Amino acid sequence: AQSVTQLDSQVPVFEEAPVELRCNYSSSVSVYLFWYVQYPNQGLQLLLKYLSGSTLVKGINGFEAEFNKSQTSFHLRKPSVHISDTAEYFCAVTSPQQTGANNLFFGTGTRLTVIP
Amino acid sequence: GAGVSQSPSNKVTEKGKDVELRCDPISGHTALYWYRQSLGQGLEFLIYFQGNSAPDKSGLPSDRFSAERTGGSVSTLTIQRTQQEDSAVYLCASSLFAGMNTEAFFGQGTRLTVV
Repeated sequence: AQSVTQLDSQVPVFEEAPVELRCNYSSSVSVYLFWYVQYPNQGLQLLLKYLSGSTLVKGINGFEAEFNKSQTSFHLRKPSVHISDTAEYFCAVTSPQQTGANNLFFGTGTRLTVIP
Repeated sequence: GAGVSQSPSNKVTEKGKDVELRCDPISGHTALYWYRQSLGQGLEFLIYFQGNSAPDKSGLPSDRFSAERTGGSVSTLTIQRTQQEDSAVYLCASSLFAGMNTEAFFGQGTRLTVV
């Protein structure tokens, strides 16, 4: 089975500063990786995903993430954050080879707080 | 429908009562997931349905929790004899086909408060 670790439970950052939210995964098979965002009092929505191909993935709202197989990481970055980016961010992993049992695993989330 | 729909959006119940939470997945999505999100916590996997296969119930926290999916579409999560620790947001998600290059779409959740 796969697992995901988000090392930072909370990340405060000043407006217009860059940010990196860390995600590491564990898997013995090939993976698909996702970042979801949850704004206050809302459900989760997809920010970006890595399936194959280019290891640098661009998502909505200026976010991007880089898949690093050797370091088993999929860190999320944004060069300049806005107040509206304040939210909970979840990293998730699944495998195209995993069927039958639950195959979508989430990290514990990182709360990004943008400070004016 | 256009997205995953969950009802009710909010539910307040007395300790010891049974509750039913409903999830309408996106039409045609064969995989359906239930998660629980306690205040300030991450996502706790509860149960997973894939087509006509037996569901993966490995995440259900106790035998008070059960879920069914009728006709491969609508799912109901039932909590019997609710306890205060059951208070949380219950999220449902669906995807086109599990294990392939697809994303899970989430509903807005049902906020359950047990008083």
